[in-house]
Amino acid sequence: DTGVSQDPRHKITKRGQNVTFRCDPISEHNRLYWYRQTLGQGPEFLTYFQNEAQLEKSRLLSDRFSAERPKGSFSTLEIQRTEQGDSAMYLCASSLPQGWGDTEAFFGQGTRLTVV
Amino acid sequence: AQKITQTQPGMFVQEKEAVTLDCTYDTSDQSYGLFWYKQPSSGEMIFLIYQGSYDEQNATEGRYSLNFQKARKSANLVISASQLGDSAMYFCAMRPLFGNEKLTFGTGTRLTIIP
Repeated sequence: DTGVSQDPRHKITKRGQNVTFRCDPISEHNRLYWYRQTLGQGPEFLTYFQNEAQLEKSRLLSDRFSAERPKGSFSTLEIQRTEQGDSAMYLCASSLPQGWGDTEAFFGQGTRLTVV
Repeated sequence: AQKITQTQPGMFVQEKEAVTLDCTYDTSDQSYGLFWYKQPSSGEMIFLIYQGSYDEQNATEGRYSLNFQKARKSANLVISASQLGDSAMYFCAMRPLFGNEKLTFGTGTRLTIIP
């Protein structure tokens, strides 16, 4: 295990369809984050988990979005009834518990979603 | 609330020259961390360097150094002896050291190294 893994790397879907993305974090990392990145912008926070508990959700995460981390390991992000505005790169990151130091988040390569 | 501002959308630099990427921030937190990430065309965000608000010395990591000026709320990234492989998007980010977990990112700077 050399890093955060995301699947699929690319997804094209028709408007109105549901999509699900998977993220496998670095094995000893108990914190997992989802970010969304649109063209020309920096990543924006969506949600994060500590183990299996979802501790914070952004207002960007509408009712059509749901994220889970059932056993505190991998996580899924589902988007229901996709809209063209959902087209973006979805980035997953993981980290060790935040402490007094440089607890950086390690990112995966992202899932690029295109809604047509 | 936290805000990161990167005012350089794009930069072109000759290979082997040094380059400074600007970053200013705004926060009401007393303790915070500042990060720089590199994003190549493959999409992955690669961590480069970290600076804590309590650190008195500027952080360095190989060819990367962070010019931290707390009073000015700036955290510029300096890359020395640039290489062709440095061509990428660069993002400045920050988060509070305690409590809120999320990173707040700037809009990035696209760096292109010219041979």
